[in-house]
Amino acid sequence: EPEVTQTPSHQVTQMGQEVILRCVPISNHLYFYWYRQILGQKVEFLVSFYNNEISEKSEIFDDQFSVERPDGSNFTLKIRSTKLEDSAMYFCASSDRGGNSPLHFGNGTRLTVT
Amino acid sequence: GQNIDQPTEMTATEGAIVQINCTYQTSGFNGLFWYQQHAGEAPTFLSYNVLDGLEEKGRFSSFLSRSKGYSYLLLKELQMKDSASYLCSRLYSGAGSYQLTFGKGTKLSVIP
Repeated sequence: EPEVTQTPSHQVTQMGQEVILRCVPISNHLYFYWYRQILGQKVEFLVSFYNNEISEKSEIFDDQFSVERPDGSNFTLKIRSTKLEDSAMYFCASSDRGGNSPLHFGNGTRLTVT
Repeated sequence: GQNIDQPTEMTATEGAIVQINCTYQTSGFNGLFWYQQHAGEAPTFLSYNVLDGLEEKGRFSSFLSRSKGYSYLLLKELQMKDSASYLCSRLYSGAGSYQLTFGKGTKLSVIP
């Protein structure tokens, strides 16, 4: 069964550094998402992306965050200047139709900011 | 807001039936999803309801009442591997876009 893949599985970075989290969505999917989950807390929506542009973003997704689809397969989340509170599991997800189509999640990248 | 409320934890016995309830704000509602999340892993899709009533899928069923802003997930013939968090998530639509919002999850422990 096709799956969403994320790299790296773990990332440790120092406060103030830039990180790029990478995702390869399922190949025939058109809608892409980033969610994050701080340890012990709920899964929180960050951003959705369709047709090469952001379609929706949450309050969490401020100016330090950006997303990009640099080629036909990758979907990246960049955090420009990491803060301690950015430490979380970051999940990429994709769906084929958007709307009420189920999301398929990757296994996540655990980001630790020290 | 898009508050979603579900119990924090539940415990049930192997072989039994358990019902996990969820209430949500009804404004902008466009569907209710249930996901399963094992510790340290990604959420995986279980069920989707957009119309009132019961959707059955093997050992798992999900119910929706849109007027009450209420859903439940029913797990039958519980197995040890069902120990996980169950995430109630609400699809919100507005201004031509959709957003899936998750509750905090119900951590289910299945005991022998």
